[in-house]
Amino acid sequence: DSGVTQTPKHLITATGQRVTLRCSPRSGDLSVYWYQQSLDQGLQFLIQYYNGEERAKGNILERFSAQQFPDLHSELNLSSLELGDSALYFCASSVGAGVDTQYFGPGTRLTVL
Amino acid sequence: QQQVKQSPQSLIVQKGGISIINCAYENTAFDYFPWYQQFPGKGPALLIAIRPDVSEKKEGRFTISFNKSAKQFSLHIMDSQPGDSATYFCAASAAGGGADGLTFGKGTHLIIQP
Repeated sequence: DSGVTQTPKHLITATGQRVTLRCSPRSGDLSVYWYQQSLDQGLQFLIQYYNGEERAKGNILERFSAQQFPDLHSELNLSSLELGDSALYFCASSVGAGVDTQYFGPGTRLTVL
Repeated sequence: QQQVKQSPQSLIVQKGGISIINCAYENTAFDYFPWYQQFPGKGPALLIAIRPDVSEKKEGRFTISFNKSAKQFSLHIMDSQPGDSATYFCAASAAGGGADGLTFGKGTHLIIQP
């Protein structure tokens, strides 16, 4: 158990809908990262927050957004969902930013029908 | 553009043998190279990591070899065990800047046959 929690574990929704994925980092970790894992694209970095501020952006679509709250938990919002958005979404956390070890949560499996 | 290329895609090794997975990168700004292990239904877990100022790092049965000039690094698993059967990902980041996500290779599905 990495200490990173993610909810929900599974999510099934329809095209065009909007969903919110939630992540609680390990106690004491200030950085939260979001990754998408799919069979064709592999593991892709989406976005990083550090102590409430956006720190780095990866291959995140404009339909997706994230935020980190004062209690350091983070939410990833996915809107206007398409079939291709079906994937595993992982949250990771680290103490700081940069070389600190990233600890991954168990993931949320999103299925868009 | 795939910035980290990983091979092989799948690998079968006999118990007790050496498993070798290779990665190559393009971005010379990368300065942190971790390897992650992922079991089915779980999130990736850090196995071992290296910075480019050393050419080799060993932790138990796991060794990273790093060749900065060739922009290549590899994972060696000595005395491979059935419990090592998992998917392995190499990754890289320009972490020295203090803010960067990991760029992952496509993964290697490793099977250790008893």
